[in-house]
Amino acid sequence: SAVISQKPSRDICQRGTSLTIQCQVDSQVTMMFWYRQQPGQSLTLIATANQGSEATYESGFVIDKFPISRPNLTFSTLTVSNMSPEDSSIYLCSVVGTGTYEQYFGPGTRLTVT
Amino acid sequence: GEDVEQSLFLSVREGDSSVINCTYTDSSSTYLYWYKQEPGAGLQLLTYIFSNMDMKQDQRLTVLLNKKDKHLSLRIADTQTGDSAIYFCAYKGTSYDKVIFGPGTSLSVIP
Repeated sequence: SAVISQKPSRDICQRGTSLTIQCQVDSQVTMMFWYRQQPGQSLTLIATANQGSEATYESGFVIDKFPISRPNLTFSTLTVSNMSPEDSSIYLCSVVGTGTYEQYFGPGTRLTVT
Repeated sequence: GEDVEQSLFLSVREGDSSVINCTYTDSSSTYLYWYKQEPGAGLQLLTYIFSNMDMKQDQRLTVLLNKKDKHLSLRIADTQTGDSAIYFCAYKGTSYDKVIFGPGTSLSVIP
């Protein structure tokens, strides 16, 4: 299984600021995703992070609000821009191992916007 | 459609078996997953099953799939207090597809 780390693990941010979340995987992976889990809710896919090209965003999520980078096969960042209290959520990085069907999740970044 | 339904709550006594049920609507689902989320923690992949299988057993966990009825279940034998968590049913169509999650079932184990 892939070991995924995220930084920061949690943060409290002020309205209008931006936060960049980092995701590091211990092995090269084919697919990397970013999910959001709002309080008491299930997981919603924000986007697929594509290596070397622009991320693919799900309906309701836009690049200006959630810019994503993926410079290589083991690392990705998600920025939450111009934050509002509605952005308070857990943000999770997820990967699919090369040649497998198993999808793993990082420990998440718990974001509170005041 | 991408709907996945689960009962939101389940309560069992320690030592009993737990059965968590899930129904989905997308007939193209190929891989079906069960994840566990303990309070304040990330998601742990418990097990998964391919759509061409009926059953998969892994120690205390048994997954049953009725593809005709689009029904998936997770049975936990000899449920322990450490099994108290939220259990998410999820699926994807191909290995490159996104994973669609159900709302989660909160399992409470009574000592």
